[in-house]
Amino acid sequence: EAQVTQNPRYLITVTGKKLTVTCSQNMNHEYMSWYRQDPGLGLRQIYYSMNVEVTDKGDVPEGYKVSRKEKRNFPLILESPSPNQTSLYFCASSTWGGGYEQYFGPGTRLTVT
Amino acid sequence: GIQVEQSPPDLILQEGANSTLRCNFSDSVNNLQWFHQNPWGQLINLFYIPSGTKQNGRLSATTVATERYSLLYISSSQTTDSGVYFCAPLETSGSRLTFGEGTQLTVNP
Repeated sequence: EAQVTQNPRYLITVTGKKLTVTCSQNMNHEYMSWYRQDPGLGLRQIYYSMNVEVTDKGDVPEGYKVSRKEKRNFPLILESPSPNQTSLYFCASSTWGGGYEQYFGPGTRLTVT
Repeated sequence: GIQVEQSPPDLILQEGANSTLRCNFSDSVNNLQWFHQNPWGQLINLFYIPSGTKQNGRLSATTVATERYSLLYISSSQTTDSGVYFCAPLETSGSRLTFGEGTQLTVNP
């Protein structure tokens, strides 16, 4: 089954404790992206990647890191999480170029206390 | 960047009613998708519709790219249709979907 998976689905952590949210897709997509969703602010892009070893900032990259060492994986790293990073996070993937359909993961609900 | 406006912001229906949700966008697009976010927060792909009309069961969507709008039709609504509906165009010059603020739909039994 074609899908985008994220882990963990739910996470409660404390300020400053490094964490990684994993994202994996099995559709051989070149493009992958991370979004965060906050009440009143909608979904905003954090980072995206057009292919292996190619990443770029989205609208709200501060406080996040990403890497793309393999085509199927695109982890989101919070080196020192803060309460303002409490949010619902989504990973997405698609074929690159020409406006192809994007597929979203199930979401990761992160709470930073 | 592209501006996206969805209307209405809130909609309350009785089960069985029909509805039309609208999405206006400010620039040329390569892609437009409609999503349903269920009460558990999951984003469900409804349509990938950069232009034309598509139907899937009780739902259908139409995008008129030259006039910069898209419509989502829900017929014979059910309580399970409740949630937030987002449209998200992809501008021709960009790489990200820009989400509208959504329409909160409540279907009462």
